[in-house]
Amino acid sequence: TQLLEQSPQFLSIQEGENLTVYCNSSSVFSSLQWYRQEPGEGPVLLVTVVTGGEVKKLKRLTFQFGDARKDSSLHITAAQPGDTGLYLCAGTVAGAGSYQLTFGKGTKLSVIP
Amino acid sequence: DAGITQSPRHKVTETGTPVTLRCHQTENHRYMYWYRQDPGHGLRLIHYSYGVKDTDKGEVSDGYSVSRSKTEDFLLTLESATSSQTSVYFCAISEQGDRPRYSPLHFGNGTRLTVT
Repeated sequence: TQLLEQSPQFLSIQEGENLTVYCNSSSVFSSLQWYRQEPGEGPVLLVTVVTGGEVKKLKRLTFQFGDARKDSSLHITAAQPGDTGLYLCAGTVAGAGSYQLTFGKGTKLSVIP
Repeated sequence: DAGITQSPRHKVTETGTPVTLRCHQTENHRYMYWYRQDPGHGLRLIHYSYGVKDTDKGEVSDGYSVSRSKTEDFLLTLESATSSQTSVYFCAISEQGDRPRYSPLHFGNGTRLTVT
């Protein structure tokens, strides 16, 4: 069973459209991070959320951490071809006694010009 | 970009041969990690290190060993490579691995390993 479930797995949209990807779990997380990975490269951190209900904005990207700290979403407004990539969420389970990050399988986004 | 270099970037090897992958960092970060990334599985932790000569197992450590004799270098060894170890291997570093909410991972660009 995957601790962090990401949906959708694949998403192909036209430039200018809006989209939302989700990261869900039955566990409570002390923090959650979002990374973006481009082909041939390692993941790069976009944001860390730590407080239930927290909303963070990074230009056209809006990240939200659920009130119960079990889920998170990433919303992209007016997607651009440069947003194409694999979006990964990763978190540390609250109270688990471990500081290892657990990753979801990712959402592969393609933005068509 | 964080100073992380993985070598080699690509390697093809035969089943049963030993393979060593190298990760070198110039950031002087205490924590270093080896992950593998496979379709359908995402990123999975193999081993990690929290200091020189201090290492521990991750989720998928069977068939792998690691060594860290210097802060800047973390080696991953496949003692006898198998086809199931064909994957893309990523090294990552963090400044405060025991406080991941304050210290994200910085990844290298990966090593693509094919075991034939």
